[in-house]
Formats: sequence, C-alpha cells, structure tokens
Amino acid sequence: DAKTTQPPSMDCAEGRAANLPCNHSTISGNEYVYWYRQIHSQGPQYIIHGLKNNETNEMASLIITEDRKSSTLILPHATLRDTAVYYCIVLNSGGSNYKLTFGKGTLLTVNP
Amino acid sequence: DAGVTQSPTHLIKTRGQHVTLRCSPISGHKSVSWYQQVLGQGPQFIFQYYEKEERGRGNFPDRFSARQFPNYSSELNVNALLLGDSALYLCASSFNREALYGYTFGSGTRLTVV
Repeated sequence: DAKTTQPPSMDCAEGRAANLPCNHSTISGNEYVYWYRQIHSQGPQYIIHGLKNNETNEMASLIITEDRKSSTLILPHATLRDTAVYYCIVLNSGGSNYKLTFGKGTLLTVNP
Repeated sequence: DAGVTQSPTHLIKTRGQHVTLRCSPISGHKSVSWYQQVLGQGPQFIFQYYEKEERGRGNFPDRFSARQFPNYSSELNVNALLLGDSALYLCASSFNREALYGYTFGSGTRLTVV
C-alpha cells in the first residue's frame, strides 16, 4: 500500500473550516484514499473515502487532486467535538489483504 | 443497534500470563479485524478473519492468535505476555472483507502488563 504523509498537528477555530492535507505521491490506480479519525480514548471512526472524484457526505468533503498524489479532508464547520487525530490511509481495493495501515496522523485541535 | 462491543474494557496482567480478549461485531458483519495501538502511535494490524477463516496477518509473533466463531464473534489470545504488549487492542468489523464503506471499530480493551 502507498505511504501517506500528514502534518503532525493543526489548529482550527470553532465554526471555521478545517482543511487537513495528505500526501500520497506513490498511490496506484486501484488504491482508494480513506480518512478515519480517533477521538481520545475511543476507537477510530470512518469518515469518508474516494478513488478519483471529490466526495461529500454528512461529515466531511474529500478533495483529491487530478494526479491523485494528494488529497484534502474538509470539515466545513469545525466544532470542539471534532478535536481528534485524523488518519489518511491508502487502501488497495484489489489486494488480498484489506488491512488499514495507520501512520501517526494529524492531531486537529479545534479552539473556542 | 449495538456497535462493535469489546470485553473487558480494561485488564491488568502479569508478565508471562495469558490473556483472551473478546469482540462482538455489528449484527450482519462477517469480517473481524484486530489492531494493537501503543501509546502515541497509530493502530497496527494484527489479524483479519472473514467467514471464520484467517484472511490476513500482520507482523506479530506467534504468541498472538485469534479465531472467529460461527456467530462471527472473535477472540484474540496472547500468550507469554511481555511488558511491550501493554496497549489498546481494537476490534473492527465490516460486512465483507473489502469494507469499501469503512470498518466500524469498538472502543477497545486497554491491556496493562506489569
């Protein structure tokens, strides 16, 4: 699976948009980009995923560049409850092993 | 509907002992995966089970084993515990192996080895 690079930490003001970047320059054609988050003392939570098109759901939007080498997770109106570690993961949809390979993620702190 | 449930929530064991952790997936989910998360790190894949068969194994020693039962619940067993096995153990379930719409994680079992 392709490796991802994320900033270790980011801050965001409550009510503002949080834009979390991820670099995955070695991604291959059949690999999806997934985002999970982990709030302190809880298990990771699935947020969104995409292959090449931008995606939106009730939690967030995912913007993938045309060359697919990077992506941005957007939380449109961050709240204090969005403070968490956010993980960007690349997953091979056609492989035989569907394990998630977590890096250290980005600690997003939403400030009042 | 109940989410992924894990038991116990916390556990303290002594070096050399054995431990069994349990996981009940979401109803209808047939795949269960186990992850280990040490403090300050992201979760690390241990096993995936689907339809009661092992479908994937991470880079963990043979002291770690698991199984999945006919009702799709799962156990993770760790023998000869070491201090380094202290971690949060997470269980994740999905309807199928591919989990295209993501895995659902439990809140984990916090294991402390003393």
